[in-house]
Parts: sequence; structure tokens; C-alpha cells
Amino acid sequence: DTEVTQTPKHLVMGMTNKKSLKCEQHMGHRAMYWYKQKAKKPPELMFVYSYEKLSINESVPSRFSPECPNSSLLNLHLHALQPEDSALYLCASSPPPGQSSYEQYFGPGTRLTVT
Amino acid sequence: SQQGEEDPQALSIQEGENATMNCSYKTSINNLQWYRQNSGRGLVHLILIRSNEREKHSGRLRVTLDTSKKSSSLLITASRAADTASYFCATGTVYNFNKFYFGSGTKLNVKP
Repeated sequence: DTEVTQTPKHLVMGMTNKKSLKCEQHMGHRAMYWYKQKAKKPPELMFVYSYEKLSINESVPSRFSPECPNSSLLNLHLHALQPEDSALYLCASSPPPGQSSYEQYFGPGTRLTVT
Repeated sequence: SQQGEEDPQALSIQEGENATMNCSYKTSINNLQWYRQNSGRGLVHLILIRSNEREKHSGRLRVTLDTSKKSSSLLITASRAADTASYFCATGTVYNFNKFYFGSGTKLNVKP
């Protein structure tokens, strides 16, 4: 299984809602990532989990809260978002350091619209 | 910003022609990768080149890396309409194996 899955594919939420994005991989990867991508822009790194521990937080606002319950799952909890947070949210995973490949495997993304 | 710049921003060619896109970056790197993204979808890894390599091939793809100029190029030979997509370079730093910076991207349109 060389796939990263993300749910939901689309999400529309109001500024007072609480929602969660989910990401799953079964490739044995121990690093998992959240990226945010605005239209016609490159992905921007948000968070990195390495061996289920948060290793990188790129100064993301606290209304985004990541969680890594186990080595296969990654969640992004959303609360009190702003319209400018509307974007494509991409999850990725990569093999542990020391293996021959550093490539990232991306999920198809969740298209988030904040109204 | 530590993100790289890519040029051109957009490239339109005929099927069968070669497409070349360039990436420049700012920091010392461990590796450089190229990804493709079809409209509004996830990214697909194409090829990785390590900092001690100068050229790498994979099928119709050829990547070069010049660490002295902090630049890389991706050549797609004999392009096809299915190659139409956005292409991004991503650099992996020597400071953190899990941290990647994406370039601004090149939008390639291959006309049939």
C-alpha cells in the first residue's frame, strides 16, 4: 500500500465551527506532514511529526491543532478559522531518516472553505 | 524566504517538444526533489537528486544540480499532453531531514 488517504475531500465550515481533517498511511513511514496550499502557490509547511512527536511547527496559529494518535494517523483540528484559511490542505509522509529515500508521499488533499 | 524560485512561471509548448524548468534556492541542501501537481490535487514525487550528484535521469526526465550556483533544472523530453501540470522543486536542508521548502512552481501546458 503506497497511498496516503485524506478525509474529507471537501469541507465547508463557518468561523465558529470545530472540524477535523484526517490523514492515514500504512507504509511504515515515521514522518508525517501538514501543508497548506493557496491557489497558484506552492505548498507551505505547517507541521511535522517524527515518530509521533511534533518536531516542527512553522509558527502556525493556534486555531490549527495537530495530533498524531499513532504512527499511521495524523489529524488536524480546526477551530475558529478565518476566511483566509480557505485553502487546500495536504498531508504527506516520508520514510525515516537513514533510509535511501527522502521522498514525500502526498495525499490528494482536503479543499477547505471557511465562510 | 527560504523557498526557492522557479522559472519560468509558466511554459506553453507543443507535444513532442522538450520542456526545461529551473529552480534556484538559498540554503545549503541535502537533496533536491521535483514534484508534479495536477490541478488542485496532491503532489507526485518525480525524482530526487542528492547534493553530491550532478545529473540524474529517470525515463523522460533529466535533472541537473549545480550546488555552487544553488540551482537545478528539470528537462522533460518528448513532452505529452498528459505532462500538463505544475512542477515544483523542493529542497531538503542539511539541518533537518524532515524539513522541505518548495519553490514557486512552473505551470506547464503541453498542447496536443
